[in-house]
Amino acid sequence: DQQVKQNSPSLSVQEGRISILNCDYTNSMFDYFLWYKKYPAEGPTFLISISSIKDKNEDGRFTVFLNKSAKHLSLHIVPSQPGDSAVYFCAFVDTGGFKTIFGAGTRLFVKA
Amino acid sequence: DVKVTQSSRYLVKRTGEKVFLECVQDMDHENMFWYRQDPGLGLRLIYFSYDVKMKEKGDIPEGYSVSREKKERFSLILESASTNQTSMYLCASRDREWGYTFGSGTRLTVV
Repeated sequence: DQQVKQNSPSLSVQEGRISILNCDYTNSMFDYFLWYKKYPAEGPTFLISISSIKDKNEDGRFTVFLNKSAKHLSLHIVPSQPGDSAVYFCAFVDTGGFKTIFGAGTRLFVKA
Repeated sequence: DVKVTQSSRYLVKRTGEKVFLECVQDMDHENMFWYRQDPGLGLRLIYFSYDVKMKEKGDIPEGYSVSREKKERFSLILESASTNQTSMYLCASRDREWGYTFGSGTRLTVV
């Protein structure tokens, strides 16, 4: 039973344009929604989060949107930079807090 | 900054060997986790621990065990390595409900 779907395995964007990464979920009990970024040969690092009571959270070039009715989470990066090229994982924390479920990841390529 | 250190970046082991992956964190976090990362599957939880000597199975515990004798150290053990355990292994510790800090990972190849 796949609770989280990150359907695009890769995305290619021109430098300066917007990158949009998407995740869909099925479990209504999630109460925190996170994005992690992973470079090759490094562990994932926390990027940005949103709680279930909000629909938008901004941090510089990164904005996370949560559409609870559609069970859809997205990350917008504007403007995209070559250094943003990495694998991005969405992650969902259940109400109990101990389990975090990760998406399969989207590899973002930002072309200079 | 919290540091999570995994003892090996790359390991090559033979089928049937017993393999130990070590993880140490330096911020006194109670919760520690072992994940494996495989292409197209994301991060899957193997085991976690919420205190010394305490452990809980994650989603894919078969073929693995863990040890947490000290708060700062969480070890993952492959009792008898198999080729389907070739993967990237990531250790993490957590202070808040969702604030994971990951180690750099150990890429294990079982031949």
